[in-house]
Amino acid sequence: AQSVTQLGSHVSVSEGALVLLRCNYSSSVPPYLFWYVQYPNQGLQLLLKYTSAATLVKGINGFEAEFKKSETSFHLTKPSAHMSDAAEYFCAVSEPPSNDMRFGAGTRLTVKP
Amino acid sequence: KAGVTQTPRYLIKTRGQQVTLSCSPISGHRSVSWYQQTPGQGLQFLFEYFSETQRNKGNFPGRFSGRQFSNSRSEMNVSTLELGDSALYLCASNLNPGATQYFGPGTRLLVL
Repeated sequence: AQSVTQLGSHVSVSEGALVLLRCNYSSSVPPYLFWYVQYPNQGLQLLLKYTSAATLVKGINGFEAEFKKSETSFHLTKPSAHMSDAAEYFCAVSEPPSNDMRFGAGTRLTVKP
Repeated sequence: KAGVTQTPRYLIKTRGQQVTLSCSPISGHRSVSWYQQTPGQGLQFLFEYFSETQRNKGNFPGRFSGRQFSNSRSEMNVSTLELGDSALYLCASNLNPGATQYFGPGTRLLVL
């Protein structure tokens, strides 16, 4: 079965600094990989997804992620953090055609002024 | 296009009661999935529906059930509520199974 590990339950960066949130996955078949963001008292918003096309995926709000099969990783980056990026971020994996998406434990991003 | 809507947004129940949560998918989406989010267990897959049929089910007891209607709207039901059922229940819809899932705002259930 597929699974995801997010390294670091809490990441703190200064405004304008690089954001790097780490995600490693396990899957027995070529996976689909996702990053979602959750703001307090809200649902999950899709940031970006990898579905076996380009390995470098660009998402919304300046985020991007690179699929590295050799490292089984899908880390999320943003060159310059903004205060509005403070939220919880979830990496997820699925094995289509199933909707059964497995999520990591989440990483809470804090942005300091 | 309107997003996924869930009703009610907040709910308080007592142990032993049952509860029904509702989800309306994005227009045109035929597949609906449900997830439970708790601080201890994180986000866990409950079940998925497509064309009124349950295609897949997560590792939850039989007290958790669901259904999908011909207009793709879905409901989930939890019977004999336990304190541990307190959680945020998220519904997600997609065009077809395996496509990108889009989430609703969730229903926060508190069991006293």
